[in-house]
Amino acid sequence: DGGITQSPKYLFRKEGQNVTLSCEQNLNHDAMYWYRQDPGQGLRLIYYSQIVNDFQKGDIAEGYSVSREKKESFPLTVTSAQKNPTAFYLCASSPPDYRPTNEKLFFGSGTQLSVL
Amino acid sequence: GENVEQHPSTLSVQEGDSAVIKCTYSDSASNYFPWYKQELGKRPQLIIDIRSNVGEKKDQRIAVTLNKTAKHFSLHITETQPEDSAVYFCAASKLGYQKVTFGTGTKLQVIP
Repeated sequence: DGGITQSPKYLFRKEGQNVTLSCEQNLNHDAMYWYRQDPGQGLRLIYYSQIVNDFQKGDIAEGYSVSREKKESFPLTVTSAQKNPTAFYLCASSPPDYRPTNEKLFFGSGTQLSVL
Repeated sequence: GENVEQHPSTLSVQEGDSAVIKCTYSDSASNYFPWYKQELGKRPQLIIDIRSNVGEKKDQRIAVTLNKTAKHFSLHITETQPEDSAVYFCAASKLGYQKVTFGTGTKLQVIP
């Protein structure tokens, strides 16, 4: 189902708690991304990674952290510093630069995070 | 940074009519403009894209036009069908860079 898997589908966070969203891809893509989707605000970039052990902040990185220890995996941690974490989180990946479709984003099916 | 504005936020059309969604971008260096379709409860998927060296691209019932001077691009869907109902996102980026900026989305409803 697309080769990029997000889990869990639904996640609940308590006050002061850190939660981690999983994103795994078996497409052999170098670049991976995390987007946050809020109603009426489109997709906003949280973090992206172009290669293992390297990642860059996006437009709304505050309150989030990531790691990229393996090519296939790009987990996102929503920390207690993120005061408004309720949103739909989408992970994406894109092919290597030498591929003609390297600009195309392949999305996972998303994780809905809610605050208890 | 890049800023992409998208209009309208909602659009209702009768089945068989055409639908047009418009976007503007701010960074004149942007040269790649994809459109993504997100059906209810599903992941966004690329439906068409255009690079700045062309002014128009068509794929069956969908087409995209680009006006670099005005920094404006549009999605055109002809002969709309109920399965076209979805949220459509425009986006802009610079080829070779990984950062893609999305518009706020247009919810298209095709009325049978």
